[in-house]
Amino acid sequence: QQQVKQSPQSLIVQKGGIPIINCAYENTAFDYFPWYQQFPGKGPALLIAIRPDVSEKKEGRFTISFNKSAKQFSLHIMDSQPGDSATYFCAASVTGSARQLTFGSGTQLTVLP
Amino acid sequence: DVKVTQSSRYLVKRTGEKVFLECVQDMDHENMFWYRQDPGLGLRLIYFSYDVKMKEKGDIPEGYSVSREKKERFSLILESASTNQTSMYLCASSSITSGRSLFYNEQFFGPGTRLTVL
Repeated sequence: QQQVKQSPQSLIVQKGGIPIINCAYENTAFDYFPWYQQFPGKGPALLIAIRPDVSEKKEGRFTISFNKSAKQFSLHIMDSQPGDSATYFCAASVTGSARQLTFGSGTQLTVLP
Repeated sequence: DVKVTQSSRYLVKRTGEKVFLECVQDMDHENMFWYRQDPGLGLRLIYFSYDVKMKEKGDIPEGYSVSREKKERFSLILESASTNQTSMYLCASSSITSGRSLFYNEQFFGPGTRLTVL
């Protein structure tokens, strides 16, 4: 079974801190790595994504770092804000796969004011 | 604006009852998915469908069935609800593309149905 392992399960940082969430995968056929953000009472929504031909992707305060040889990728949130408090899921997929996404177990992030 | 709606936000059922969870999307997406979300376990795929009347088992299909009679609607059925099916159920949809878009696998989620089985 395809797996994506995510850590930590929960994370608490002060406002302005840089939380880092890590994911690791085994299936070398994975070629698309998105992160989803879920606020309480809402469904997850796509936040940012990367393909393995680049090592880093930035969108605003959110950055994905990708290490193909280690089969790991991580999400960094610069200058974190209380409004970033949410559950974050990493995911991976193989282009053309009908099932599309395999999700990690999620990280509950709390940013204290 | 894209929209995935689920029939109920909260549902309480008794053990042994037949339960229907409905999901509707208005984006003309080909693919639809049912997940359950449990703390520490993330999102686990129950079933998915890539076309009308087509369905595929996900990782945890036992105890569930699905129906997709129309493109916009995907139903999850618990034939005989059990207490271990108490969970948050999320429906999602996505579109097939040429593969050129970085976000071609983007899934759009509904708000979820929190099901409690007593």
